[in-house]
Amino acid sequence: SQKIEQNSEALNIQEGKTATLTCNYTNYSPAYLQWYRQDPGRGPVFLLLIRENEKEKRKERLKVTFDTTLKQSLFHITASQPADSATYLCAFRGSTLGRLYFGRGTQLTVWP
Amino acid sequence: KAGVTQTPRYLIKTRGQQVTLSCSPISGHRSVSWYQQTPGQGLQFLFEYFSETQRNKGNFPGRFSGRQFSNSRSEMNVSTLELGDSALYLCASRPQGTSHSPLHFGNGTRLTVT
Repeated sequence: SQKIEQNSEALNIQEGKTATLTCNYTNYSPAYLQWYRQDPGRGPVFLLLIRENEKEKRKERLKVTFDTTLKQSLFHITASQPADSATYLCAFRGSTLGRLYFGRGTQLTVWP
Repeated sequence: KAGVTQTPRYLIKTRGQQVTLSCSPISGHRSVSWYQQTPGQGLQFLFEYFSETQRNKGNFPGRFSGRQFSNSRSEMNVSTLELGDSALYLCASRPQGTSHSPLHFGNGTRLTVT
């Protein structure tokens, strides 16, 4: 079955450093990947989408890469801040229209 | 533009009861999806509705059902509640358009079954 995994459940880094989160997928070749941010008690908020023919995408301090050979997406937050502390989720739309498969998320904590 | 609104925010029910959750999508959005989120399983797809029709359904028992109204508002119902149904239920909407358009989530309904 189509599966998506985020390697780390939790990541703790110091303010100012770059956070790198990993997302791997199996049994499918998605045309694109999406990344979301979720704060406690809130719904996920969309951050970035990257297509399979885009190796890299940037938005302000965020950068996403998509390696179809490794079946992996990396999500980077540069110059991280305590306000970046949240759970980050990756997702792809599988063969079934309208359905997103989500990873379980990586809880990022940025400490001062 | 108002975001996705889910009511109620919190619910406490007893095993065996049934519950109805409500979702109002962003104005103009015609697709509404429902997800269940638990610490153990993460976000799991329940179903998606578009123009009052269920387009897709996840791997949940028949106790979970939903519907969509002509104004795109949606409800989901869970009958004969079990302890394992305790979760955060998230509704998400997206406009009609390409299949890869991102989801806009509400803040969910926290259901606790005792």
